[in-house]
Amino acid sequence: NAGVTQTPKFRVLKTGQSMTLLCAQDMNHEYMYWYRQDPGMGLRLIHYSVGEGTTAKGEVPDGYNVSRLKKQNFLLGLESAAPSQTSVYFCASIGPGGSYNEQFFGPGTRLTVL
Amino acid sequence: KQEVTQIPAALSVPEGENLVLNCSFTDSAIYNLQWFRQDPGKGLTSLLLIQSSQREQTSGRLNASLDKSSGRSTLYIAASQPGDSATYLCAVSGHKIIFGKGTRLHILP
Repeated sequence: NAGVTQTPKFRVLKTGQSMTLLCAQDMNHEYMYWYRQDPGMGLRLIHYSVGEGTTAKGEVPDGYNVSRLKKQNFLLGLESAAPSQTSVYFCASIGPGGSYNEQFFGPGTRLTVL
Repeated sequence: KQEVTQIPAALSVPEGENLVLNCSFTDSAIYNLQWFRQDPGKGLTSLLLIQSSQREQTSGRLNASLDKSSGRSTLYIAASQPGDSATYLCAVSGHKIIFGKGTRLHILP
């Protein structure tokens, strides 16, 4: 099993450009999460999904959109990138039972917005 | 509102010593607590998961304890090695999953 994978690993954008980050998991997990990690701020939840076709806002959702069309994939979109969105983005998943169970993380995407 | 604190933010320890990392939380109504390791430029690797009904979990040289009533968890690392150098994060799961900011551990050869 590959676990949780993220595409791309690195990306540089100019202000105003758009992009989509892809998260895929092969563990048949229901719950998927997008976090951003910034120095001194720790991990902050952007959006999450409790199942295929569902999404919900986390702590810092502004400027991001998400979609969960397939159970194994969770997409994070930036419609108009801003320098404040320069960060490392992590995807995570949890199996049945959600918060009662172990969370698995992807390797991260390092995004720089110029 | 749940708050998770990890003190100290950084720690340097000579190789071979036993050490304890701390995690405290303000709301005892939790489902579980998970300890992660993060190497520079990498993702988070799960080390141990302690359910709210458990007092401790062990994996190799690692032992994690949980005291819900006092809002504290500790991660004990025995016979530390340079390869243990990393940032260690705890995450508390309740209505939400809240992460501490981590303790950056450096094992001195």
